[in-house]
Amino acid sequence: DSGVTQTPKHLITATGQRVTLRCSPRSGDLSVYWYQQSLDQGLQFLIQYYNGEERAKGNILERFSAQQFPDLHSELNLSSLELGDSALYFCASSVGKVSEQYFGPGTRLTVT
Amino acid sequence: SQQGEEDPQALSIQEGENATMNCSYKTSINNLQWYRQNSGRGLVHLILIRSNEREKHSGRLRVTLDTSKKSSSLLITASRAADTASYFCATDAEANSKLTFGKGITLSVRP
Repeated sequence: DSGVTQTPKHLITATGQRVTLRCSPRSGDLSVYWYQQSLDQGLQFLIQYYNGEERAKGNILERFSAQQFPDLHSELNLSSLELGDSALYFCASSVGKVSEQYFGPGTRLTVT
Repeated sequence: SQQGEEDPQALSIQEGENATMNCSYKTSINNLQWYRQNSGRGLVHLILIRSNEREKHSGRLRVTLDTSKKSSSLLITASRAADTASYFCATDAEANSKLTFGKGITLSVRP
């Protein structure tokens, strides 16, 4: 158990819908990262927050957004969902801005 | 394109043998990390090696880093069936300080 929690574990929704994925980092970790993993694209970095501020941005679509709250938990919002958004979404956390990351169990999103 | 590229893409060995996995990258890095992922689960951090280090050990794991060749290797000694997983290298490029993962190596250890 990494200490990072993610909810929900599974999510099935229809195209065009909007969903919110939630992540609670390990106690004491200030950085939160979001990743998307699919068979064709592999593990793609989406975005990183550090102590509430956006720190780095990766291949995140404009339809996706994220935020980190004062209690350091983070949410990833995915809107206007398409079939191609079906993937595993991982959250990870770390103590500092760049250090070893601890991954949550992931949310499996299926868009039908 | 991926910063880290692992090689081989898949590796199958017998229990007890050593497994060597390689990673090459393109730009200068601050550090390089190796992670393991069991099917459908979250990644688990294995080891971090800094750019000024050449070799690091952790249990049955040995990681080397050659910054002149922009490459790293992960050696798992005396492999076990439980080592069956995907292994990823991840690099933290100096320019942007974000972690970029390779596509991973699928290791199968036959009992």
